[in-house]
Amino acid sequence: IAGITQAPTSQILAAGRRMTLRCTQDMRHNAMYWYRQDLGLGLRLIHYSNTAGTTGKGEVPDGYSVSRANTDDFPLTLASAVPSQTSVYFCASSDSGGGPYNEQFFGPGTRLTVL
Amino acid sequence: AQKITQTQPGMFVQEKEAVTLDCTYDTSDQSYGLFWYKQPSSGEMIFLIYQGSYDEQNATEGRYSLNFQKARKSANLVISASQLGDSAMYFCARNQAGTALIFGKGTTLSVSS
Repeated sequence: IAGITQAPTSQILAAGRRMTLRCTQDMRHNAMYWYRQDLGLGLRLIHYSNTAGTTGKGEVPDGYSVSRANTDDFPLTLASAVPSQTSVYFCASSDSGGGPYNEQFFGPGTRLTVL
Repeated sequence: AQKITQTQPGMFVQEKEAVTLDCTYDTSDQSYGLFWYKQPSSGEMIFLIYQGSYDEQNATEGRYSLNFQKARKSANLVISASQLGDSAMYFCARNQAGTALIFGKGTTLSVSS
């Protein structure tokens, strides 16, 4: 593995179903993030984790949950999917060593469609 | 909410010409970073350039430079000698409250021959 991987690449999901999007990084970065990208809205932060064992809410957290049991993995769960959660989901990570420089490295994205 | 504003939904430029993509931001922080990312049609997010708020020189990376005007809170991306492969969506972003980034809505750049 090099960088960040996300799974699945794409998924069509029935409304009301539970879904977990997976994200794994091998760069030993402290911080990880989940964004959703919608046309005309750019990328919006869903949840983040500054270090293993801690998580925080971003701009659009409702309907989503995350966990950070270890440094490498940061899964995003939709407990009961709704059509408005149709989006492209990006996982990212950064080495939060302090200071304002925190280049984020992005995964390839997961395209989710909720019907 | 502190935001990033990209006022140009779409820009068109011919090959070999220079183009400037605008970005303004809100912040009350003294120390912050500004980033530009490129997203080609394939969908991946590619980091282009970074400017720190205390950096006195404008950042440059190859054909990319950042025109940073701190007092005006603007961080425009300049691409010199455009190439067909520069056609993509471009996002301006700023870090906030730790490590998270907030993004603008993006500018679509189309380069023609």
